[in-house]
Amino acid sequence: DAKTTQPPSMDCAEGRAANLPCNHSTISGNEYVYWYRQIHSQGPQYIIHGLKNNETNEMASLIITEDRKSSTLILPHATLRDTAVYYCIVRVEYQGGKLIFGQGTELSVKP
Amino acid sequence: EAGVVQSPRYKIIEKKQPVAFWCNPISGHNTLYWYLQNLGQGPELLIRYENEEAVDDSQLPKDRFSAERLKGVDSTLKIQPAELGDSAVYLCASSQRGAGALYFGPGTRLTVL
Repeated sequence: DAKTTQPPSMDCAEGRAANLPCNHSTISGNEYVYWYRQIHSQGPQYIIHGLKNNETNEMASLIITEDRKSSTLILPHATLRDTAVYYCIVRVEYQGGKLIFGQGTELSVKP
Repeated sequence: EAGVVQSPRYKIIEKKQPVAFWCNPISGHNTLYWYLQNLGQGPELLIRYENEEAVDDSQLPKDRFSAERLKGVDSTLKIQPAELGDSAVYLCASSQRGAGALYFGPGTRLTVL
């Protein structure tokens, strides 16, 4: 079973920041938080991952709370091409790398 | 750098027929995964390979599904015979030694009539 909880859907205005929340209250100390997205008819695309510290790359920022029970993925300037299903996943590193996907959040970016 | 390659992209067959999917992972990636994705659902792991060894096939329906990864590079997933309920997208992914990000291919969309 997936160990994360995400809202089923969200809307965001084009050009604004999209903030996607994820709850993972049962996360273990050795589990990382991963974010993927899936655009219609494509395979899932890796976005970012982190353990404790906030992370940023060219696609997004990941903010993890101090107690690690929740996180937020931030797309700083959402475009129409960011419309997708976003998956938040917790995963133990170095134990086979199994990703267990939940239902994800369907993000709609509107003009 | 080339991504994960899968073929075919689409396949339509009649029930009880066999079908095979092929995957070429990213060069240098030792770990290969096959996932199944039903419509409206997240992907579910079928099997994981470390080099040529299947180290996690607990979710693979072994009565009709089989997989192989000869020489630890390319992999083939087979269904024989296919059933109506096998209609789904079959995704292949790879990673370096089972750690870090998994990179997915575009998937094969199977329709069983």
